[in-house]
Amino acid sequence: DADVTQTPRNRITKTGKRIMLECSQTKGHDRMYWYRQDPGLGLRLIYYSFDVKDINKGEISDGYSVSRQAQAKFSLSLESAIPNQTALYFCATSDPTRFPYNEQFFGPGTRLTVL
Amino acid sequence: AQSVTQLGSHVSVSEGALVLLRCNYSSSVPPYLFWYVQYPNQGLQLLLKYTSAATLVKGINGFEAEFKKSETSFHLTKPSAHMSDAAEYFCAVSVVGADKIIFGKGTRLHILP
Repeated sequence: DADVTQTPRNRITKTGKRIMLECSQTKGHDRMYWYRQDPGLGLRLIYYSFDVKDINKGEISDGYSVSRQAQAKFSLSLESAIPNQTALYFCATSDPTRFPYNEQFFGPGTRLTVL
Repeated sequence: AQSVTQLGSHVSVSEGALVLLRCNYSSSVPPYLFWYVQYPNQGLQLLLKYTSAATLVKGINGFEAEFKKSETSFHLTKPSAHMSDAAEYFCAVSVVGADKIIFGKGTRLHILP
């Protein structure tokens, strides 16, 4: 099955550490997204990418960076993790040629805890 | 710009009772509307979507939603709740030409035995 996968699924790290969350997809979609989910705040967009050379900031990009290594891979990095980055992180994809536009296909999520 | 408001961050219903989760949207152009469901410890999956083909949309697991332009609403319903419906539900909106989808803050549905 064409799918969206995320690694790791769970991660505990310490304040100040650099951490990378990875996302891979076999759907052949051009667009990829990173969201964080916090209780009561819903999903907030961190970064999104339309192709390897097109990276865009979302509403909460401070403290994060991304890399689109290939059409199928989109990584999220926390250069120096802090406790308020403890959250559930989701990767998603969409196909801009598929109606309705922007329908999102989600990975299973990464639960990140920063101590 | 588009926006979505979900009324009630938590909703509790008894097993067998009607489920009603409310979503109101704001958009200056015709919207596409989505409901996603997140079961415990899982990612989000699409429950149903409105694409202007029909105002009453049927989704998986017996859920449906009705698009009401005059009320700018897209409420989610299910006639009879089941324990397995306990989850968080997200309403979302997008439009032609937009580069992203806008999510509501979510409603957690609790099913009482």
